[in-house]
Amino acid sequence: AQSVTQLDSQVPVFEEAPVELRCNYSSSVSVYLFWYVQYPNQGLQLLLKYLSGSTLVESINGFEAEFNKSQTSFHLRKPSVHISDTAEYFCAVSEPPQGAQKLVFGQGTRLTINP
Amino acid sequence: DAGVIQSPRHEVTEMGQEVTLRCKPISGHNSLFWYRQTMMRGLELLIYFNNNVPIDDSGMPEDRFSAKMPNASFSTLKIQPSEPRDSAVYFCAIPRLAGTDTQYFGPGTRLTVL
Repeated sequence: AQSVTQLDSQVPVFEEAPVELRCNYSSSVSVYLFWYVQYPNQGLQLLLKYLSGSTLVESINGFEAEFNKSQTSFHLRKPSVHISDTAEYFCAVSEPPQGAQKLVFGQGTRLTINP
Repeated sequence: DAGVIQSPRHEVTEMGQEVTLRCKPISGHNSLFWYRQTMMRGLELLIYFNNNVPIDDSGMPEDRFSAKMPNASFSTLKIQPSEPRDSAVYFCAIPRLAGTDTQYFGPGTRLTVL
């Protein structure tokens, strides 16, 4: 069975500082990996995804994540955060070829940006 | 929350009452997911439908919970009778492209059972 572990439940950082949100997964087969973001009082939005190909994937707002098969990780990074990045971030995994058929989510990491 | 309408957005009810949550994809989808989010348990998949048929309902907590998808444009999640521990945010999600892509979430229904 698949599982996802987000090692940090809360991450406070100062504005313009770099941040890394950690995600490790377990699966006996190849996987698709996702990061979702949830802003206060909103639903989840897809931030970025890894399906195949390049192990480094990027979002339009400066986040990136790298798929590391040997370490079974998919950590999310941003070199300089902004106040507007304050949100909860969820890592998720699914098994191809089902793709979106069943996502398993981590517990979430609450990112708080301090001025 | 592109393409998914959930109603109501907020629901406050008393223990023992029946609660019905609704999900309407703007464009018809024959796959649909219901999730529950709480502080204690995080985000949990309750049930998902494919071709309007329930494929996996192992996440439904107990018999008080039931879900239907009578057509590609509508689904309901019913709790009867409701209990305070059912208080949570319930999300509906749809796949953008079956098989290769991910899910789009609705804005959620915040349920409070007193």
